[in-house]
Amino acid sequence: GQQLNQSPQSMFIQEGEDVSMNCTSSSIFNTWLWYKQDPGEGPVLLIALYKAGELTSNGRLTAQFGITRKDSFLNISASIPSDVGIYFCAGRGTYKYIFGTGTRLKVLA
Amino acid sequence: GAGVSQSPSNKVTEKGKDVELRCDPISGHTALYWYRQRLGQGLEFLIYFQGNSAPDKSGLPSDRFSAERTGESVSTLTIQRTQQEDSAVYLCASSQIPNSPLHFGNGTRLTVT
Repeated sequence: GQQLNQSPQSMFIQEGEDVSMNCTSSSIFNTWLWYKQDPGEGPVLLIALYKAGELTSNGRLTAQFGITRKDSFLNISASIPSDVGIYFCAGRGTYKYIFGTGTRLKVLA
Repeated sequence: GAGVSQSPSNKVTEKGKDVELRCDPISGHTALYWYRQRLGQGLEFLIYFQGNSAPDKSGLPSDRFSAERTGESVSTLTIQRTQQEDSAVYLCASSQIPNSPLHFGNGTRLTVT
């Protein structure tokens, strides 16, 4: 299927630690989105990015639109137990959104 | 306002039967997507509807899969002669305009026995 490369695939971290994950594409994108999915629910939007180099924050979350327009990064600072879940990136070129393979985050209290 | 609504939330069917999954997007949203999510996996693109344009069906895995959308409202995803490998969560998402973020429903969990 059509999916973007996302890393790491999974991570276990201690509460209070910072987390970084990224997404890469072979194509240039005009929009990058980051989502979080909890069990049994659909993904929920965290951050939207529309310009190369853009850096946007949402509380403890910060995401960046890579300058090459082929990658994006999400950072979570001072993680807490409720940050657990699956994080997805999504990119859109001129047409449709394609999603990343997901990063599964587990936070140890 | 109401979000994206999908029905049924769960569907168990026997191998070989046909199933129909429904998605009601947010009112006024012109773009509608279907994705498949296998257990523990990412979101696999299936099909994209944008306004009155011809849909992008490039993600449909076989000719057993089809989808329709009535104007800018409800969409149905049909899987004929279901196979066990079709077991997954099928997610629907809509957006107001092509470049705006997607809003997801909670999905239909399909189990083929």
